[in-house]
Amino acid sequence: DAGITQSPRHKVTETGTPVTLRCHQTENHRYMYWYRQDPGHGLRLIHYSYGVKDTDKGEVSDGYSVSRSKTEDFLLTLESATSSQTSVYFCAIARGQGNEQFFGPGTRLTVL
Amino acid sequence: GDSVTQMEGPVTLSEEAFLTINCTYTATGYPSLFWYVQYPGEGLQLLLKATKADDKGSNKGFEATYRKETTSFHLEKGSVQVSDSAVYFCALSGAGGGADGLTFGKGTHLIIQP
Repeated sequence: DAGITQSPRHKVTETGTPVTLRCHQTENHRYMYWYRQDPGHGLRLIHYSYGVKDTDKGEVSDGYSVSRSKTEDFLLTLESATSSQTSVYFCAIARGQGNEQFFGPGTRLTVL
Repeated sequence: GDSVTQMEGPVTLSEEAFLTINCTYTATGYPSLFWYVQYPGEGLQLLLKATKADDKGSNKGFEATYRKETTSFHLEKGSVQVSDSAVYFCALSGAGGGADGLTFGKGTHLIIQP
């Protein structure tokens, strides 16, 4: 258990509304990540962070922003949700040799 | 860029059968390689890893060997159980030395029948 929680675990929202997902870790890890999981695509990286206020884009960053004001929290924001952002979102931390990553339980987001 | 290719399935086997899930990759240098497992309704769990060529990762009866010459990291288990039914993901971490995100295959859905 890497001490990662995500909130909310489930959310239904409407197109055009802003949405923020939260990832919280208790072990003071430097690196944190947001992925989305979609059928037929596996997991794809949205954004990642390598320290407080240090973030970078991943493969599918369009339409998403992130913030990290404290080591333990990494927020993912959809400024104006679209139906194509319906997905399961996973947060992860990196630790150990070789950048092995450990995942939170996921947030299922439905955009109507 | 980096990529991972794995058989997508579903793969259906009988209990106690031998399992192989193929995984090949494209990457520069010497990436680290991983297998993750996702049980229904749950998040991903790290199953095993290998960080350099010829390393063998093993856990819970599963094994995979890092083959640089064939750019492969095939997952094997000698005798599967119904409880092994899940989706299995092969993934790699780039060799750049930083902590970029993992590159995942699309996942293989494994179904074990009693």
